[in-house]
Amino acid sequence: AQSVTQPDIHITVSEGASLELRCNYSYGATPYLFWYVQSPGQGLQLLLKYFSGDTLVQGIKGFEAEFKRSQSSFNLRKPSVHWSDAAEYFCAVGALGGSYIPTFGRGTSLIVHP
Amino acid sequence: NAGVTQTPKFQVLKTGQSMTLQCAQDMNHNSMYWYRQDPGMGLRLIYYSASEGTTDKGEVPNGYNVSRLNKREFSLRLESAAPSQTSVYFCASSEAPGGPYGYTFGSGTRLTVV
Repeated sequence: AQSVTQPDIHITVSEGASLELRCNYSYGATPYLFWYVQSPGQGLQLLLKYFSGDTLVQGIKGFEAEFKRSQSSFNLRKPSVHWSDAAEYFCAVGALGGSYIPTFGRGTSLIVHP
Repeated sequence: NAGVTQTPKFQVLKTGQSMTLQCAQDMNHNSMYWYRQDPGMGLRLIYYSASEGTTDKGEVPNGYNVSRLNKREFSLRLESAAPSQTSVYFCASSEAPGGPYGYTFGSGTRLTVV
């Protein structure tokens, strides 16, 4: 079975600074990987996903993530954070096969200081 | 707007009362899910329906029942609410449970059981 860890419960950055949110997964084969964002009082929205090909994937809202098989990681990055990026971010890992529901991490809360 | 619609958005129940949370999607997705979100616990899967006519238990099914009414609608029922069921409930849908398909989430139902 797959598992996912988001080591940071909270991350605080200043507006305009760069951001990296960590995600580590455990799975024996090539996983499907996802990042979601949850704004306060809202449901989760898909930011980006990886399932094959180029290991650097671009998503919405200026986010990108890099799949590193050797480190079992799929970290989310943004070069310059905006105050509106303050939200909860969830990494999820899925497995090959139609019935394997992705496992979600516990989330990282991003706080943006002006 | 296309997406997942949940009703109600807020609900307060007394212990022992019953209620049904409604969910509908208009994206012609095959699979639908119910999650609960509690502080520090991330998302936990309650039940899911891989396709119309099927339902399966997730990680935390006790105290809940579901009905896949048709391809569009998937309801969650609490037969006898308990304070431990105080949570935010999210419905989601996707093309299939596994694989490279991201999930589309509703905006949630905030349930308080007193």
